[in-house]
Amino acid sequence: LAKTTQPISMDSYEGQEVNITCSHNNIATNDYITWYQQFPSQGPRFIIQGYKTKVTNEVASLFIPADRKSSTLSLPRVSLSDTAVYYCLVGGRAAGNKLTFGGGTRVLVKP
Amino acid sequence: NAGVTQTPKFRVLKTGQSMTLLCAQDMNHEYMYWYRQDPGMGLRLIHYSVGEGTTAKGEVPDGYNVSRLKKQNFLLGLESAAPSQTSVYFCASSSLDPGGSYEQYFGPGTRLTVT
Repeated sequence: LAKTTQPISMDSYEGQEVNITCSHNNIATNDYITWYQQFPSQGPRFIIQGYKTKVTNEVASLFIPADRKSSTLSLPRVSLSDTAVYYCLVGGRAAGNKLTFGGGTRVLVKP
Repeated sequence: NAGVTQTPKFRVLKTGQSMTLLCAQDMNHEYMYWYRQDPGMGLRLIHYSVGEGTTAKGEVPDGYNVSRLKKQNFLLGLESAAPSQTSVYFCASSSLDPGGSYEQYFGPGTRLTVT
């Protein structure tokens, strides 16, 4: 499974856009890129998934360049409730949909 | 539709005791997983199952056993608990649909302390 590298932590303020970049240099052809969000004392929650270019849903956008060696999760106009740990994962389409979680990025949104 | 549920929510064991964690899902998912999460760390896959009656080892399987006798249930067993198994355990499930997002749905977790 491809290894991912993402910043340990980021601070932001309410109303700002937060962009978290994840590196995955050895991503395989069949791998998808998925982001999860985790609040304290809760299980992770799926945010968004993509293969290439740009994917957007009601909570986030995912930007993936042509070489797919990195991806950027964009959270528009964050609020205090977006304070969480965000995990970038690569894989999920192999047998068993196995995922490898790294350390994640701890995002702190300040008032 | 409860999604993924886990029993119990909390448990304290003494070293050497055994216990079973139960995970249930009502989404008719083929795949199920057990993870552990230590403080300040990401999740690590213990065991997983690609269907009823099948199980496979994940990243950190030692000291754990699993069973998937029914499609909706996935049991995680600790035969002889050790302090190193103090952690939060998460169960998850996902679908087999090739057209789907392969999203994993997680339960609320079980906080286990081994003294």
